[in-house]
Amino acid sequence: AIQLTQSPSSLSASAGDRVTITCRTSQGISSALAWYQQKPGKAPKVLIYGASSLESGVPSRFSGSGSGTDFTLTISSLQPEDFATYYCQQFNSYPDGFTFGPGTKVDIK
Amino acid sequence: QVQLVESGGGVVQPGRSLRLSCAASGFTFSTYAMHWVRQAPGKGLEWVAIIYNDGSNKYYTDSVKGRFTISRDNSKNTLYLQMNSLTAQDTAVYYCARDLNEGSGAWRFDSWGQGTLVTVSS
Repeated sequence: AIQLTQSPSSLSASAGDRVTITCRTSQGISSALAWYQQKPGKAPKVLIYGASSLESGVPSRFSGSGSGTDFTLTISSLQPEDFATYYCQQFNSYPDGFTFGPGTKVDIK
Repeated sequence: QVQLVESGGGVVQPGRSLRLSCAASGFTFSTYAMHWVRQAPGKGLEWVAIIYNDGSNKYYTDSVKGRFTISRDNSKNTLYLQMNSLTAQDTAVYYCARDLNEGSGAWRFDSWGQGTLVTVSS
C-alpha cells in the first residue's frame, strides 16, 4: 500500500506569511493527489485536486504543485481563517485505498 | 445544494453492532460513488470504504474487512455502513463523502457530511 508523509507535522505562522506544506508518497502517483483543509469540529474541505487544480470557490492564495512522489501545498499569504489542519490524499492505488497523509497543523505564531 | 447528513452514531459496547446512515440531497445520488471516512479523536483521517454508484462494487480498508459492510439504497438516496464486532479502535467520527472523479487524476471527495460520532466503550 502507498504510504504518505507530510512535513512539517505542525507549523506556527503569522497572518500574511507564505506557507508551504510538503506531501511525499512511497510510490509514484502521477498527479492523483488532493489537498484538504479541516477546522476543529468540522468536516474536511477540498482545496486542490489533480495535484494543482484549484477547487471551485477556493481562494486563489491556495496552490498546489508536484507530480510523481513529491507534492506541495502553498498558501501565498496566510489569512486568519486559514489556521487549520491540512491533509493530502492519494488516489493512485485505487481500489487498495484512498490514503490520507498524517496532516499538518497550521497555527498562529 | 449538495447535502449529506449522517445519523446513527452513539455509544455501543465492544462486540456489538451499529448501523450508520447518510441521507443525500441536492444531487443525483445514483450517479456517484460514495465513501465512508473516519477520524479517531485527536487523530487524522482514515478512509474506510467505497461503494460504486450502482452498488456493484465495494472496497474496504483492511482493518474493517469482514466486520463492516457498506451499502446504499438509491431509491431512498441513502448510504449505509453496517458495523459489526466493534472494538475500541473503531471509536471515531464517521463521515460520508461524495466521490468526484473527472479523469486524468482529477479525483477528490468533493462533499462531506458533518459526521456522526461512534464511541465503543463498556
